[in-house]
Amino acid sequence: GESVGLHLPTLSVQEGDNSIINCAYSNSASDYFIWYKQESGKGPQFIIDIRSNMDKRQGQRVTVLLNKTVKHLSLQIAATQPGDSAVYFCAENLNSGGYQKVTFGTGTKLQVIP
Amino acid sequence: EPEVTQTPSHQVTQMGQEVILRCVPISNHLYFYWYRQILGQKVEFLVSFYNNEISEKSEIFDDQFSVERPDGSNFTLKIRSTKLEDSAMYFCASRGTSGSQETQYFGPGTRLLVL
Repeated sequence: GESVGLHLPTLSVQEGDNSIINCAYSNSASDYFIWYKQESGKGPQFIIDIRSNMDKRQGQRVTVLLNKTVKHLSLQIAATQPGDSAVYFCAENLNSGGYQKVTFGTGTKLQVIP
Repeated sequence: EPEVTQTPSHQVTQMGQEVILRCVPISNHLYFYWYRQILGQKVEFLVSFYNNEISEKSEIFDDQFSVERPDGSNFTLKIRSTKLEDSAMYFCASRGTSGSQETQYFGPGTRLLVL
């Protein structure tokens, strides 16, 4: 079946450097993608989203890039801070008949080294 | 800032018992979801709920599970005859109605342990 997956299970980054977290998706019908941050013992927290008709979207310190040609999604975090340490999930959304089905990837653990 | 709340935060039960997990979605949201996350694994979709009925469910959501919106604020997940493999973190989420691609907001989760 089609699925969402992540390339790197763990990413270690020096504080102040930029972080890039990657995600591959396989469902070409997905129309909406979301990045979530999950800290230990907490629920997923929305970071940023992007629709399939866009290729880039910027937020505060974060940028999401979507490459539909290779079905690739990335999350860029600028000037990474210790508080950014968490597991990051990408998720794809399939909108069918007004209903949503969100499929999550396995997650990448970001470790920020002070 | 409005948030999704869930109770209890932790639940321990004996195998075969029934549990009810409770969620209070954000007040003006109309779409509700349950997800689970087995320790060390990815978040998995269970069910979505809209207009007092299930709109979509996954293969995990079998007859052992049911959802209900008993009043205007609560959204519950009932697990009958719990099994050891039901031990997981259960997340409730809700989303608004503006547009077709509104983000889902997650609660803090209920950690269920089946012994």
